[in-house]
Amino acid sequence: DTEVTQTPKHLVMGMTNKKSLKCEQHMGHRAMYWYKQKAKKPPELMFVYSYEKLSINESVPSRFSPECPNSSLLNLHLHALQPEDSALYLCASSEGDSGNTEAFFGQGTRLTVV
Amino acid sequence: AQSVTQLGSHVSVSEGALVLLRCNYSSSVPPYLFWYVQYPNQGLQLLLKYTSAATLVKGINGFEAEFKKSETSFHLTKPSAHMSDAAEYFCAVSDRYGGSQGNLIFGKGTKLSVKP
Repeated sequence: DTEVTQTPKHLVMGMTNKKSLKCEQHMGHRAMYWYKQKAKKPPELMFVYSYEKLSINESVPSRFSPECPNSSLLNLHLHALQPEDSALYLCASSEGDSGNTEAFFGQGTRLTVV
Repeated sequence: AQSVTQLGSHVSVSEGALVLLRCNYSSSVPPYLFWYVQYPNQGLQLLLKYTSAATLVKGINGFEAEFKKSETSFHLTKPSAHMSDAAEYFCAVSDRYGGSQGNLIFGKGTKLSVKP
């Protein structure tokens, strides 16, 4: 199984809502990531979890809150988002700490904030 | 800081023609380099990677790339384009010594169009 599964595929939420994005992998990878991708732009790194500990937070606003309940799961909790937060949110995983192992990406969650 | 620059935001080729997508990197140490492809409304799929073994790297779907240190380049090529190759292509660099894994820095992407 070389898949990273993200749910939901599409999400529309109001600015006062609270929602969560979920990501799951069963490849035994110990590093997981959240990326944000705006239309016609490259993905931008948001968070990195390494061995279930948050190792990188790229100055992401607190309305985005990541959580790694176990080595297979990664969540992104959303609260009080703004319309400019509408984007494709990509989850990825890789084997571990060395930079030479590729990241496997999920299909993404298309988020629209209204 | 590491970075990659992709020359040409849009490349158009005819079916059967050579595909050449350009990527130059900026790094003070030998980098790890990747090419990813993204189809519309999809995630990213790895085409190939360079991790300091062979300088000519072969990937999936007939793509290959050559690491040229003297030119700080990692251009992606395919001898004969197919309609199904139409997609967005991203070159990416990974921090080799930072201890942080798929901490990828992406180029701005090149959209490949294939004409029949």
